[in-house]
Formats: sequence, structure tokens, C-alpha cells
Amino acid sequence: DTAVSQTPKYLVTQMGNDKSIKCEQNLGHDTMYWYKQDSKKFLKIMFSYNNKELIINETVPNRFSPKSPDKAHLNLHINSLELGDSAVYFCASSRTENTEAFFGQGTRLTVV
Amino acid sequence: GNSVTQMEGPVTLSEEAFLTINCTYTATGYPSLFWYVQYPGEGLQLLLKATKADDKGSNKGFEATYRKETTSFHLEKGSVQVSDSAVYFCALSYSSASKIIFGSGTRLSIRP
Repeated sequence: DTAVSQTPKYLVTQMGNDKSIKCEQNLGHDTMYWYKQDSKKFLKIMFSYNNKELIINETVPNRFSPKSPDKAHLNLHINSLELGDSAVYFCASSRTENTEAFFGQGTRLTVV
Repeated sequence: GNSVTQMEGPVTLSEEAFLTINCTYTATGYPSLFWYVQYPGEGLQLLLKATKADDKGSNKGFEATYRKETTSFHLEKGSVQVSDSAVYFCALSYSSASKIIFGSGTRLSIRP
């Protein structure tokens, strides 16, 4: 059983479109995250949620809107996609806010 | 602020060589320290962790010791295999962080 699963794995779309990435964890964790990994493999936190509440929004453009309908899900919606949004997006979860995180397989987003 | 610095790659070694990847951190208080590994096309996997000074994390032949006096958490393995080829990330978290802070990653390639 996959612990943290995100869909889709690949997403190719045109500039200006709106897209969503879904994430679910079955670990019973309280905290979920979205990270962005650029082409040089650098990982940057985007959002952190604890018990469905937004804890961190790390200067992400407001075109990105996370939504947590319950503790097990954290989805990411992106409006008006730009070329610079092309990256791999990782969802992760952890038991509490300062314990190790478990990562999904990533969503490779390509904006053309 | 809190940060992680790890040696730049790529690192290329022959099979059965000894591996060290250096990692130092800057943090207030007493962070938890982690090493994650990312195989090609996959998400990050927790390799090992240490939560207090002098703790040694170990897994799959890899080891790292939490050294508070030198603020370091160097990754070591006595005899690397081709299957160890991946990108390795040093990371930290602390009680009020609500996120995991990653180093820039070190790409490791092992020659047969």
C-alpha cells in the first residue's frame, strides 16, 4: 500500500491553463507539505499544513492554492500556468511538524 | 537563519570505495537531522536520522553521527555499490519549523 500517493505523475500543459495535483496519505499523519524541486534538484518548501490548517506559505505566488479537505489529503491547484512553473512537485507528510517526512513519487509538470 | 550546507557534487567513485559526503548545519536549538536519498525518477526516501547530539543513524550500510560541537552530520559508507548511485540530501527540522530544510543535494555515481 502506497503511503503517500500523488496524481498525476506527469502533467504537460500549455501556458495559461489551470491544473490540479492531488495528494493522499494513509499514514495517519497530522502534517502535510508541498515541495518544489527545480532542474538542479534544489528542494524548496511551498506549503505546510497541520491538521488541515495552513502553517507555512513560503512566498509562493497566489496562483498556487493548496486545499486540504481532510487530514489525509492536500491538493494543489495552479492557475494561469507559466513556463517557470515547470518543475517536479512533491507532496509529503509527517507525523508531527518536526519529525521525518515521507514523500510521494512526484509530479513532473511541464508547461509549454 | 537555519540552513544546511553539503558538499557539491557530482561525486564519482569506483565500486567498493569508501564514501563520505559532508554536511554541516546552522540551527537554533537542537534540530533533528536526516539523510534522504533520491533514485532517478523517484521521490525522496528517508535513509537515516538522528534526533540528538552523539546519536548515530544507520541504514543499508550508511552511517552518520550527529556532532553538535562541529554542527556536522557527515554521511559515510565503507564500500559503495553501483546501486547506491543517486542524489543524497542532508536535511534538518526543529520544533517550531513546520518544515524540513534541505541541503542542495549531492549526486553520487558509482562505476562498476
